[in-house]
Amino acid sequence: SQTIHQWPATLVQPVGSPLSLECTVEGTSNPNLYWYRQAAGRGLQLLFYSVGIGQISSEVPQNLSASRPQDRQFILSSKKLLLSDSGFYLCAWSVVNQETQYFGPGTRLLVL
Amino acid sequence: GDSVTQMEGPVTLSEEAFLTINCTYTATGYPSLFWYVQYPGEGLQLLLKATKADDKGSNKGFEATYRKETTSFHLEKGSVQVSDSAVYFCALVDSSYKLIFGSGTRLLVRP
Repeated sequence: SQTIHQWPATLVQPVGSPLSLECTVEGTSNPNLYWYRQAAGRGLQLLFYSVGIGQISSEVPQNLSASRPQDRQFILSSKKLLLSDSGFYLCAWSVVNQETQYFGPGTRLLVL
Repeated sequence: GDSVTQMEGPVTLSEEAFLTINCTYTATGYPSLFWYVQYPGEGLQLLLKATKADDKGSNKGFEATYRKETTSFHLEKGSVQVSDSAVYFCALVDSSYKLIFGSGTRLLVRP
């Protein structure tokens, strides 16, 4: 069966520091991968999605970036965090050309 | 563009009460519709889905029917439990296989 992992689970970072969040999927090949952010008390915003290694599409302009160095690895990064980057970051995967997405456990980020 | 609108929360119910969470959508064509649930401190879990008009998705006692005429996908459960307390998200998938979510509805079930 397929599983999706995210780490770290929780992160507290100062403003201006770098960020790296990792997501990995097991039990499937060539998945579509997604990064979402959920700000406190709000819905989910799609940040990035990827249909293959090195292929990243950005949905919103921001100081975050994403990379996909391996088929089942998706990384969310920032060079300098802002207070507004605080939130709950969720990674998801889907089978290519299928509609259902499956979510990881999330990373809670607090920027102080 | 496509969008999803959910009723504002929180919804507070007593155990064994009937639950309805309203969801309406705006979309080109007839997208698949989803309900996801997020328990406190966790990621999202797929609760149920429907892929075409008049389909009924169901899981764990929850049901939702795809109503093309009213562009709605309301979530219902006949008898809620304390363990159903969570945030519920309605969503549709657009033509690029991207999910578009509603803002979420928090459900609190009291014993």
